[in-house]
Order: sequence, then C-alpha cells, then structure tokens
Amino acid sequence: AQSVTQLDSQVPVFEEAPVELRCNYSSSVSVYLFWYVQYPNQGLQLLLKYLSGSTLVESINGFEAEFNKSQTSFHLRKPSVHISDTAEYFCAVSGVGGGSQGNLIFGKGTKLSVKP
Amino acid sequence: DVKVTQSSRYLVKRTGEKVFLECVQDMDHENMFWYRQDPGLGLRLIYFSYDVKMKEKGDIPEGYSVSREKKERFSLILESASTNQTSMYLCASSSYDTQYFGPGTRLTVL
Repeated sequence: AQSVTQLDSQVPVFEEAPVELRCNYSSSVSVYLFWYVQYPNQGLQLLLKYLSGSTLVESINGFEAEFNKSQTSFHLRKPSVHISDTAEYFCAVSGVGGGSQGNLIFGKGTKLSVKP
Repeated sequence: DVKVTQSSRYLVKRTGEKVFLECVQDMDHENMFWYRQDPGLGLRLIYFSYDVKMKEKGDIPEGYSVSREKKERFSLILESASTNQTSMYLCASSSYDTQYFGPGTRLTVL
C-alpha cells in the first residue's frame, strides 16, 4: 500500500518569489508520482509526472519536481510564481504493477496563494 | 486531447432522492474512477472500474453504487441521498499510468 503526505496545507507567497510545495510518500513497491493542479471550481489537471528515466521532470508553465528515492520525496518547485499560479496542488502516487495498477493515492492538497 | 465530461457542474437534491452522476470519456480508456473531494480530506476513491460491467469498491463505497454498461460511460448512483453526501464529485479515466479528470460535479443535498 502507498501513502502520501503533503507537509503544508497552505503556502502564501509574494508574486515573483520562489516556491516549494513538499510531498513525501511511502510505498513497498516501485512508484509513479504525479502532481495535479486544481483551479477554483474546476477539476484536476495533470501538471507533471514521473514514470521512469530522468528524476527531474518539468511542466510547460515553469514548475519542476524531482524524484528522490532515498528521501521518498517528490517536491514541486517554481523559481518565480505568478498570480495565476494561485490554486490547490495535489501530489499523488500509484504503485507499479499489481492489481491496483493505475489507482492513485492522493495527498490532502496544498493551497498556494500568490499575493501581489 | 483526453476529454472527460460530467453531466452537471452543479446539482441540488433533497434528502432521500436517488441521484445519478454521469461521466463520459472519449479516449477508449479501460479504467474509470469516481472520487469525492472534501476540504481538508483531499480526494477519496469511491469506486473504480477496469472494464465494462466490472466494478471494484474504493475506500468509501458506503451509500454509493456504480454502473458501467458501456466502455465510455461510468455512472455513480446515490441510492438515497443524505446531507453528508454533499461534496464535490470527480470522475477520472486512464489507460495505464495517468488519470485524466473531468470538471467535477458539486452536489448539494438539502
């Protein structure tokens, strides 16, 4: 079984400041890792994912996350945030292989609030 | 692009009513999922399906049932709606490793 911990429920930052949203996971098997973003009154959109290969993955809007197996972490970072990045961010994990292939376990979410 | 649609964005029902939430995906995905989302609790899996007419219970199936008669459509049914089922309901589909979500249905049970 897998679990996900998002260490901060709310992160307020000023525009153009850097941000890190923290995510730790536990699993007894290999994992796939995901970050989803949810804008107000909308569904979840996939932001980026790690399946295999390079441990650093990037999104088209400047976010990046690094898979750290030894620390079981998948923190999300952006060097300079915009007002439009205000949203709730969810980290998720799924186990590779087995009967639960494709089932996601979500963290409780981090609300990023970017202030002018 | 993957498209997952849900029949209603907002829905208001009365206690005891039977409620149907519909979800349709257009990417021929085998897997479909229903979640509910509540503040501070994140997303919790209600039911999922790996194939037509196949269903599996998730973490919180009590008070819900599902139907999958066609590959592209996955319905969530509240047999007798209760106020504690007021929530945001999200549908997702996937073919292997990545889930794609619909816009959500915000259900209020009065």
